[in-house]
Amino acid sequence: DQQVKQNSPSLSVQEGRISILNCDYTNSMFDYFLWYKKYPAEGPTFLISISSIKDKNEDGRFTVFLNKSAKHLSLHIVPSQPGDSAVYFCAASEAYSSASKIIFGSGTRLSIRP
Amino acid sequence: EPEVTQTPSHQVTQMGQEVILRCVPISNHLYFYWYRQILGQKVEFLVSFYNNEISEKSEIFDDQFSVERPDGSNFTLKIRSTKLEDSAMYFCASSVGTVNQPQHFGDGTRLSIL
Repeated sequence: DQQVKQNSPSLSVQEGRISILNCDYTNSMFDYFLWYKKYPAEGPTFLISISSIKDKNEDGRFTVFLNKSAKHLSLHIVPSQPGDSAVYFCAASEAYSSASKIIFGSGTRLSIRP
Repeated sequence: EPEVTQTPSHQVTQMGQEVILRCVPISNHLYFYWYRQILGQKVEFLVSFYNNEISEKSEIFDDQFSVERPDGSNFTLKIRSTKLEDSAMYFCASSVGTVNQPQHFGDGTRLSIL
């Protein structure tokens, strides 16, 4: 079941540059999208989300873009910092379902090099 | 910042034994979830819980699994007769609502079945 896909298992970016993480989804019923960051031995930490009525949401260094027609979203981190090195999960849910379970992608490991 | 706490961090159990994983959700949250992540695989939804009953469960959540909110603060996942394939990280999450509200995760319990 590949409803949420992150096709890049890893990404290496130089410190100070922009990191762009991509995600595709197949379920047209998804209308709420989230990005989580995960360090080893910790749980996923919520970063930023976007509902389907928007195409962009910004929070500090993090911006999420949503292209509904392409069923694609991306997370931009600028400038990238060493502490951003982690696994990033794209996730989606049907906001108006009874329980809003989250469907996760497989994650992209971001490494910020000095 | 309030957080979801899970205990124990690591549980080792013999196959066939019962295990209870414990979670304290964020205090003003009303919706509670369990997810699991088998090593090398995606984070998968198990069950959601609201108003003292299960809202939704996945096909993974069979009769061996149960959830309970025994008091006003704890949320537990019980596996009645563990199998080798139950070995995974189990994450508890909570949210204040379901419409465009992020779920916040604990750091997980690593369950190892011998």
